[in-house]
Amino acid sequence: DIQMTQSPSSLSASVGDRVTITCRASQGISHSLAWYQQKPGNAPKLLIYGASTLQSGVPSRFSGSGSGTDFTLTISSLQPEDVATFYCQKYDDVPHTFGGGTKVEIQ
Amino acid sequence: QVQLQESGPGLVKPSETLSLTCTVSGGSISGYYWSWIRQPPGKGLEWIGFIYYSGTTSYNPSLKSRVTISVDTSKNQFSLKLTSVTAADTAIYYCARIELGVGNVYWGQGTLVTVSS
Repeated sequence: DIQMTQSPSSLSASVGDRVTITCRASQGISHSLAWYQQKPGNAPKLLIYGASTLQSGVPSRFSGSGSGTDFTLTISSLQPEDVATFYCQKYDDVPHTFGGGTKVEIQ
Repeated sequence: QVQLQESGPGLVKPSETLSLTCTVSGGSISGYYWSWIRQPPGKGLEWIGFIYYSGTTSYNPSLKSRVTISVDTSKNQFSLKLTSVTAADTAIYYCARIELGVGNVYWGQGTLVTVSS
């Protein structure tokens, strides 16, 4: 099975900072990658699919890039409401494995 | 607006079977794939499996021997059964609707199931 590895596992940044989270697949998955945001006590929310397509209603400060094995989620200007844990998930084939998550905090 | 709601016992004894139901409202269960995902307290997300409205299923290999997902289109519901549970199965269980090429778009609020005697 393909493994999904996220880095870092946690980060702390200041409001307004550019934040980058990486997700690496152990084998190529084309563009079949989604990013989710999970705020404490809530269900995950879809942010990006197809590696780079923003889900409707998601602020434009979020962006995704990559294909094959290496993917990136970028928050261009970190806001207080972005405090959350972010997960990547592959959906090219089963199993639809999630990455281990990246917890984002405000400094 | 599509809404999903998980229901079932919040406490299950070790070695018994965990049973949950996800009720879909605001849309039909037909035409879509539906998934179960879980999250142990303080940990990450784990994909359990999915079912197509016609009944076709796919499961996580790590759970395949213990998992059954079924669908009842007449009730607009789908269900999860996990047998021989242990404390390691304690988690928040989420149901979600999959959109092909997109991922899990709609999620239930999640339900905590604790495995304990």
